[in-house]
Amino acid sequence: GQQLNQSPQSMFIQEGEDVSMNCTSSSIFNTWLWYKQDPGEGPVLLIALYKAGELTSNGRLTAQFGITRKDSFLNISASIPSDVGIYFCAGEPNGSGNTGKLIFGQGTTLQVKP
Amino acid sequence: KAGVTQTPRYLIKTRGQQVTLSCSPISGHRSVSWYQQTPGQGLQFLFEYFSETQRNKGNFPGRFSGRQFSNSRSEMNVSTLELGDSALYLCASSRETNTEAFFGQGTRLTVV
Repeated sequence: GQQLNQSPQSMFIQEGEDVSMNCTSSSIFNTWLWYKQDPGEGPVLLIALYKAGELTSNGRLTAQFGITRKDSFLNISASIPSDVGIYFCAGEPNGSGNTGKLIFGQGTTLQVKP
Repeated sequence: KAGVTQTPRYLIKTRGQQVTLSCSPISGHRSVSWYQQTPGQGLQFLFEYFSETQRNKGNFPGRFSGRQFSNSRSEMNVSTLELGDSALYLCASSRETNTEAFFGQGTRLTVV
């Protein structure tokens, strides 16, 4: 169905390490978005992807829209303490009945040890 | 340019009461969508409005309703509040369909 499986659920890494997380689904998505959420705040958009195979960077962040349109990954290079937070993938499912609707993954909690 | 603004930030209500939450989208954005975030269920889609019309609705009971005004501002209403309605309610705006969705800070609703 229209579920997104995000992994890993949590990560505890050393400052300076690279991080990778991904989302998969059995359904096709038209758009993939990656967000970061700090406690008590709304999600902040990091990267938006619109085409299968698209690879986009935003500073130390890189994300890709899977070629099958059923998955996406986010990489963070050279992590720093302020990268701490919860990262969510979100996608707009394919199909006319899904206009304006985002499905969210369960989130990846990232902790960075200085 | 100003981001998405949600009011109020915090709200405490009693079971059985009703509540109205407000969302002002980014200027020029015509799509407004609402999400409920809880620790157990994560972020769940409530509904989406575009040019004052509800285009899509999630799997929530009829107690949850919304509307959008001609200036794109939106409100959502929850009637007959239940304890399980306690959550962070998030509003997101986007210019058009299938474009970046930007979120507000949310309204933290606590039902006692």
